[in-house]
Amino acid sequence: QVHLVESGGGVVQPGGSLRLSCAASGFAFSAYGMHWVRQAPGKGLEWLAFIWNGRRDENYADSVRGRFTVSTDISRNMLFLEMSSLRAEDTAVYYCAKAVTGGHDIHHWGQGTLVTVSA
Amino acid sequence: DIQLTQSPSFLSASVGDRVTITCRASQDVYRFLAWYQQKPGKAPQSLVYATYNLQSGVPSRFSGSGSETEYTLTINSLQPEDSATYYCQQLSIYPLTFGGGTKVEIK
Repeated sequence: QVHLVESGGGVVQPGGSLRLSCAASGFAFSAYGMHWVRQAPGKGLEWLAFIWNGRRDENYADSVRGRFTVSTDISRNMLFLEMSSLRAEDTAVYYCAKAVTGGHDIHHWGQGTLVTVSA
Repeated sequence: DIQLTQSPSFLSASVGDRVTITCRASQDVYRFLAWYQQKPGKAPQSLVYATYNLQSGVPSRFSGSGSETEYTLTINSLQPEDSATYYCQQLSIYPLTFGGGTKVEIK
């Protein structure tokens, strides 16, 4: 059974940095691509980033490119999102999500972790 | 970037009704279109991928269709547990954008 658990959220000051983690289990992590998606309070879903496991291939939304970096540690079945130069508008629940084999379609979501950017 | 416009943004319907949500793309997404359901305070759940393929465990009253720039999610015989917000997403071209959402309320 696929299980995705995000952690690392919290309160951070504007301009600060934070690293989110997503622990994956129940599937062959190295064989799948992974997404980060966020949702600001009361707002819709916003796709942030996608990484193909096993290859150096990442893609980002314009709103976070150059500030956020997605990475994985296949040996530990972990997905990360390094966030820097955080702004108030980055306040959101951040979800990790598992894609299908060889594609982008999301089949499983984590429960999310809340990031609040505030002085 | 590809813009996805969902309509309506809100709808209220009765149990047993047939409900249709439309997602229009600013350019052809080649049927790389997915639908998600989200209930308040919960993570999204995947419903449909690649236009018409139901995710495992999704009730058969849900169906997807469409092509090129226009896609629909249909709920046949609306049930109380279908009260939620529904989002479309295109997975054709980066960035992989979402629609603005459609909130479905049960009368």
